[in-house]
Amino acid sequence: QKEVEQDPGPLSVPEGAIVSLNCTYSNSAFQYFMWYRQYSRKGPELLMYTYSSGNKEDGRFTAQVDKSSKYISLFIRDSQPSDSATYLCAMTADYKLSFGAGTTVTVRA
Amino acid sequence: SAVISQKPSRDICQRGTSLTIQCQVDSQVTMMFWYRQQPGQSLTLIATANQGSEATYESGFVIDKFPISRPNLTFSTLTVSNMSPEDSSIYLCSVESGSEQYFGPGTRLTVT
Repeated sequence: QKEVEQDPGPLSVPEGAIVSLNCTYSNSAFQYFMWYRQYSRKGPELLMYTYSSGNKEDGRFTAQVDKSSKYISLFIRDSQPSDSATYLCAMTADYKLSFGAGTTVTVRA
Repeated sequence: SAVISQKPSRDICQRGTSLTIQCQVDSQVTMMFWYRQQPGQSLTLIATANQGSEATYESGFVIDKFPISRPNLTFSTLTVSNMSPEDSSIYLCSVESGSEQYFGPGTRLTVT
């Protein structure tokens, strides 16, 4: 079993829809949770960072962490074609990041 | 945050040769990391490089194949030695700033 499980998709949604992305994990020691966005042929870009259970909002993005269920989510509201990318969840107990497989999202205009 | 640059951005190399990838950060950082991202896959940590000490390699990666230098707090190099087609991948440099990690743009390596 992988430490971090993420559905690779692909996920295709119409412009304006809510995008919902999820990851589950097995390591209870993970304390810090991140979402990265990676455009084609680019390095991952840090989108959201959180370390506590609950919700964190940043503009159109909401990160949700449920430590009791070992489950994290990223929601993108009012999705735009520019949101088309691969989204990777990542988590760590110290400094070593464990990544999910990444979910490829396409937002159709 | 940190701004990270990598050189080269891409290269095509013949099997049996070596390539050195450079990573430059715009601020001093203690910890730098090297990752590999194989086609269609997620990121795998190769090693952690701290200035003034030997790099720490993850399981499945060895110093003879991936020697790393960390001469100062803003620079590191990763060498991919004796390359084979299986080494074709994107190699990414990352740094820790605060408790967050930032990535460079990556080096796309193709081995023929």
